[in-house]
Amino acid sequence: KAGVTQTPRYLIKTRGQQVTLSCSPISGHRSVSWYQQTPGQGLQFLFEYFSETQRNKGNFPGRFSGRQFSNSRSEMNVSTLELGDSALYLCASSLEWAGELFFGEGSRLTVL
Amino acid sequence: AQTVTQSQPEMSVQEAETVTLSCTYDTSESDYYLFWYKQPPSRQMILVIRQEAYKQQNATENRFSVNFQKAAKSFSLKISDSQLGDAAMYFCAYRSPNYGGSQGNLIFGKGTKLSVKP
Repeated sequence: KAGVTQTPRYLIKTRGQQVTLSCSPISGHRSVSWYQQTPGQGLQFLFEYFSETQRNKGNFPGRFSGRQFSNSRSEMNVSTLELGDSALYLCASSLEWAGELFFGEGSRLTVL
Repeated sequence: AQTVTQSQPEMSVQEAETVTLSCTYDTSESDYYLFWYKQPPSRQMILVIRQEAYKQQNATENRFSVNFQKAAKSFSLKISDSQLGDAAMYFCAYRSPNYGGSQGNLIFGKGTKLSVKP
């Protein structure tokens, strides 16, 4: 069974640009969560989607948004990038809402 | 709000020896879940062990075991017979119970970097 797949794995953007990250969950998993990992703040919850509905949202500005499609694949978007958005963005899927999480390898975003 | 604290930024252990990683948490809830996750360098995070707060018995998974002290709000991870492959960042995490209206996200500690010496 394939694991959680995140694309792209690495990307470099400049301030003011926007970025879209993609996450394909494990087959059959209906919940997708996103976390931001930085050396300073550690791992912080961004949002969780279940059956195309955002069920939970962390304390991030409105520049961070996401969505989930009918096939459970999820995307997150960050607009007007800032230097502080440089981070490893982790996606995790679970069978049900707030179930056991299975993480992808992450998308490493560098903002110059 | 719940918080998770890992007071040891780095730890080191000799191969085949035992090491204990510390974690404390703060919550006003009586029912919750606790986890230890392992994140090897440039690899995905994987679940090592989980503990339900209502269970008094400490969880065990092969060489990994926890010492769960609910009253003290302490949740330490013991790794026995350490192996080179155990070298990684270890994160302690807390999650509220899954019921209507509750937030099911994980709250992570800052992590402990474990080195294993051959």
